[in-house]
Amino acid sequence: DADVTQTPRNRITKTGKRIMLECSQTKGHDRMYWYRQDPGLGLRLIYYSFDVKDINKGEISDGYSVSRQAQAKFSLSLESAIPNQTALYFCATRPSGDTEAFFGQGTRLTVV
Amino acid sequence: AQRVTQPEKLLSVFKGAPVELKCNYSYSGSPELFWYVQYSRQRLQLLLRHISRESIKGFTADLNKGETSFHLKKPFAQEEDSAMYYCALGGMNRDDKIIFGKGTRLHILP
Repeated sequence: DADVTQTPRNRITKTGKRIMLECSQTKGHDRMYWYRQDPGLGLRLIYYSFDVKDINKGEISDGYSVSRQAQAKFSLSLESAIPNQTALYFCATRPSGDTEAFFGQGTRLTVV
Repeated sequence: AQRVTQPEKLLSVFKGAPVELKCNYSYSGSPELFWYVQYSRQRLQLLLRHISRESIKGFTADLNKGETSFHLKKPFAQEEDSAMYYCALGGMNRDDKIIFGKGTRLHILP
């Protein structure tokens, strides 16, 4: 089955470290998104990409960067992790011409 | 600006009782509204979307443009309905994002 896969599933890192979360998809969708989920705050959009050369900031992009290495891959980096970036991170894809989003399993990141 | 409001953080309902999860939205164009569900330790998955007008797992939702609402309803709650529910708003314009509400945790009491 075509899927959206996130790696790693869980990660603990120290304050100040650089960390990369990866997302790959076999759905052939051109749009990809990174969200973070926090209790009581729901899902907030970090970055999104319509294709390899089109990357856009979401509502909470500060402290994060992204790379769209190929249509199928969209990586999220924390340049210098801080404790309030502890959250559950979700990657999602969406085909052009439709509005339904498909989510990865999530990456639980803890910054200590 | 796109905005989705889910006023209830937690909703506790007895098994067999009716369920209504509220969602209001703000959008200047032609919106597409969705309900996503997240069961414990699982990824978000689409429950239903307003354009399909179908019932999934007994849930229905009607888009009310006058009240800018898209409330999720089920006449008889089941224990397996316990989950986190997110209302989401998207559009067909190229630049449109998918915006989620803060979510409502539905807890079905035995």
